[in-house]
Amino acid sequence: EAGVAQSPRYKIIEKRQSVAFWCNPISGHATLYWYQQILGQGPKLLIQFQNNGVVDDSQLPKDRFSAERLKGVDSTLKIQPAKLEDSAVYLCASSFTTSGGYEQYFGPGTRLTVT
Amino acid sequence: AQTVTQSQPEMSVQEAETVTLSCTYDTSESDYYLFWYKQPPSRQMILVIRQEAYKQQNATENRFSVNFQKAAKSFSLKISDSQLGDAAMYFCAYSSGTYKYIFGTGTRLKVLA
Repeated sequence: EAGVAQSPRYKIIEKRQSVAFWCNPISGHATLYWYQQILGQGPKLLIQFQNNGVVDDSQLPKDRFSAERLKGVDSTLKIQPAKLEDSAVYLCASSFTTSGGYEQYFGPGTRLTVT
Repeated sequence: AQTVTQSQPEMSVQEAETVTLSCTYDTSESDYYLFWYKQPPSRQMILVIRQEAYKQQNATENRFSVNFQKAAKSFSLKISDSQLGDAAMYFCAYSSGTYKYIFGTGTRLKVLA
């Protein structure tokens, strides 16, 4: 079974530029998560999708971050414009369903550096 | 609001010895799940072990076991016969109801040869 795929793996941009990350979850997984992991901290949930609908985006800075999951499969996370404090690893994860208790499968992450 | 606290930023253990990583959480819910995830350096995060709150029996997965104290809201991870490959960041996580998934700040485990 193929794992969660993410691209790019690394990205360096200047502040005020825009950037987009892509995630392809495990086939058949209805739930997709985007996390922000700042160095030395645990992952912070940015947004959670169930199929192509948003079920939790309470911690997503909506003035600059946006995410979509077209057709309930692939997802993109965009930052526009980027700030220095957005430097972090962006993790995508998927699980079979949203119900509590299901294991999340993580991708390798995208390391973003904003200069 | 639910919170997850890992008070040990870093731990060290001698190879073949046993180490316990601590985690406490706060919740007002009665039905929830607790997890330990492992994040090796430059590698993907993977699930180590899972505990359902309604189960009194502590979960075990080979060399990994938990001490789940529901009343104390404590969920520690014990790693027996530590191996060099166990070196990683370990995150305690909480999940309840339909949506929320919360991670602690992590404990970096070093395994000394």
